[in-house]
Amino acid sequence: DTGVTQSPTHLIKTRGQQVTLRCSPISGHKSVSWYQQVLGQGPQFIFQYYEKEERGRGNFPDRFSARQFPNYSSELNVNALLLGDSALYLCASSPGLTGVDTEAFFGQGTRLTVV
Amino acid sequence: AQSVAQPEDQVNVAEGNPLTVKCTYSVSGNPYLFWYVQYPNRGLQFLLKYITGDNLVKGSYGFEAEFNKSQTSFHLKKPSALVSDSALYFCAVRVSGGSYIPTFGRGTSLIVHP
Repeated sequence: DTGVTQSPTHLIKTRGQQVTLRCSPISGHKSVSWYQQVLGQGPQFIFQYYEKEERGRGNFPDRFSARQFPNYSSELNVNALLLGDSALYLCASSPGLTGVDTEAFFGQGTRLTVV
Repeated sequence: AQSVAQPEDQVNVAEGNPLTVKCTYSVSGNPYLFWYVQYPNRGLQFLLKYITGDNLVKGSYGFEAEFNKSQTSFHLKKPSALVSDSALYFCAVRVSGGSYIPTFGRGTSLIVHP
């Protein structure tokens, strides 16, 4: 069990650029969720994927998109970056179709800085 | 709609003393409640959860939390604080049988002084 892995750990982008963040869930876990954590606030839910299908979406603009692959890894894409997109992006892995009603396991996060 | 309030941005306690980190919630239905801890430059680490049953829930590292339905609270407690408990603590809620979208509180910074 290697835990949830996210890459890269840190990223600096310029306004207007596009970014792709990656997440590999714990082996055997089929659900991946993405969260945005702005400094000084709690994590905000962005997406949940289960069995390669989107099962939940938070209140984020269409610039945010995601997908899940057959091996259950996931990518989060953000287009047309804004300064306000600077945050820690967290990926959570869980065995099935859950939010946090069971032990969701979080990765270390990707720190995105938009300049 | 669901929401979580953590009324204290920071809690200070001396090592060896009991600690309490407060959380109140609002949901339209029965709640699932969670506590997570975040150390600097780390992800969230699960501490404990309340789904149903006993109102006193025991979790990792000696932490426990008490569910109080009438006060809509789920305060995190520990009988004897350690300096290593210093971290950011998040309370989260979702409604049983409802949307899987969880709501987190803003977090409370716990500082344990030697």
